[in-house]
Amino acid sequence: KNQVEQSPQSLIILEGKNCTLQCNYTVSPFSNLRWYKQDTGRGPVSLTIMTFSENTKSNGRYTATLDADTKQSSLHITASQLSDSASYICVVSARQAGTALIFGKGTTLSVSS
Amino acid sequence: IAGITQAPTSQILAAGRRMTLRCTQDMRHNAMYWYRQDLGLGLRLIHYSNTAGTTGKGEVPDGYSVSRANTDDFPLTLASAVPSQTSVYFCASSGGADTGELFFGEGSRLTVL
Repeated sequence: KNQVEQSPQSLIILEGKNCTLQCNYTVSPFSNLRWYKQDTGRGPVSLTIMTFSENTKSNGRYTATLDADTKQSSLHITASQLSDSASYICVVSARQAGTALIFGKGTTLSVSS
Repeated sequence: IAGITQAPTSQILAAGRRMTLRCTQDMRHNAMYWYRQDLGLGLRLIHYSNTAGTTGKGEVPDGYSVSRANTDDFPLTLASAVPSQTSVYFCASSGGADTGELFFGEGSRLTVL
């Protein structure tokens, strides 16, 4: 069964610190992996999309990595800011007919001052 | 500003009533989706449409129906609302069924009493 597991479920860090969120998947055949940021009360917004051949992709202070062999991805946030407080959702796309997006349940990050 | 517009933003509804959530996009995307988001369960796909005139069932389609008469509009109808349909509903669109970036609306919060 295609699944996406994220860890930790929630995380609290101090402003200015770095953190890493994890995403493990069992989706096959793999097409791409996406990370989304969802602020409270808002819709998710795309941070990165990575295909099989991409190991790392950055978007400002956000850096995503992908290891297609171990089926793991991480999202690293550098020098966290209060505005980074949000839910981060990992989504894996399977190469199949129809819709093929498998969502993780998200990691809730709280950045405190 | 280009994007996805959902209406209403929030609604309280009596059980047994009919309700249509509206979704309009102005990006000329072929694929559109309806998700529901519940605490602890993440985003779950209700229905999708890969192109105008076609629709498909997602993970949790029961009690919901959709139509795609044109490219821009993708309404979601609850024929007879039940309390278990209390949720936040997100409409999304993408340029490609499994490769395009997914753009989300801001959500419709529905409470069924």
